[in-house]
Amino acid sequence: EIVLTQSPATLSLSPGERATLSCRASQSVSSYLGWYQQKPGQAPRLLIYDASNRATGIPARFSGSGSGTDFTLTISSLEPEDFAVYYCQQRSNWPPVTFGGGTKVEIK
Amino acid sequence: EVQLVESGGGLVKPGGSLRLSCAASGFTFSSYSLTWVRQAPGKGLEWVSFISDSSRYIYYADSVKGRFTISRDNAKNSLYLHMNSLRVEDTAVYYCARDGPFYYFDYWGQGTLVTVSS
Repeated sequence: EIVLTQSPATLSLSPGERATLSCRASQSVSSYLGWYQQKPGQAPRLLIYDASNRATGIPARFSGSGSGTDFTLTISSLEPEDFAVYYCQQRSNWPPVTFGGGTKVEIK
Repeated sequence: EVQLVESGGGLVKPGGSLRLSCAASGFTFSSYSLTWVRQAPGKGLEWVSFISDSSRYIYYADSVKGRFTISRDNAKNSLYLHMNSLRVEDTAVYYCARDGPFYYFDYWGQGTLVTVSS
């Protein structure tokens, strides 16, 4: 089973700042990595697929990069609605599909 | 508009059973694989089970294998999760999700809460 480790667990930032979230895989997942955003009481929403492709309707301030075992989600300038929990997910070697433990982006 | 609506959650005693349903609309249901994902209170996401468009391929997480059964009825645009021998650690919000064109979960339901407690 591929383990995804996200860091940091919590990121405290102000609106307008840049957010950099990390996801590391226990073995290579090539580029088969996605990112999701989840707000309290809501279902997750797909942001990025295949490491760097924005899903339909996702603003350009969200970008993804990486391949192999190291991936990054960057939010270039935080909007108030971006404060949420973010999860990475791999589909390279499955089953099982696995998710990272999440990074909470909170208002500083 | 794509919609996934889960139902069937509730309070059940350890060892009990429950059947979750997911009603789909707004897309060609029979063309898409579907997945159940759960989230324990205050915890992260956990993949539970997958079923392909024709039900040919079915997979389960080790944590539920032998206890849960996924199925679908393409004529009724519905996905199901039959849960037996429920444990306290199965307590979670259960989401159904569509496997999109790139094999990521592009649409999710709002979730249904399953609580296993005596």
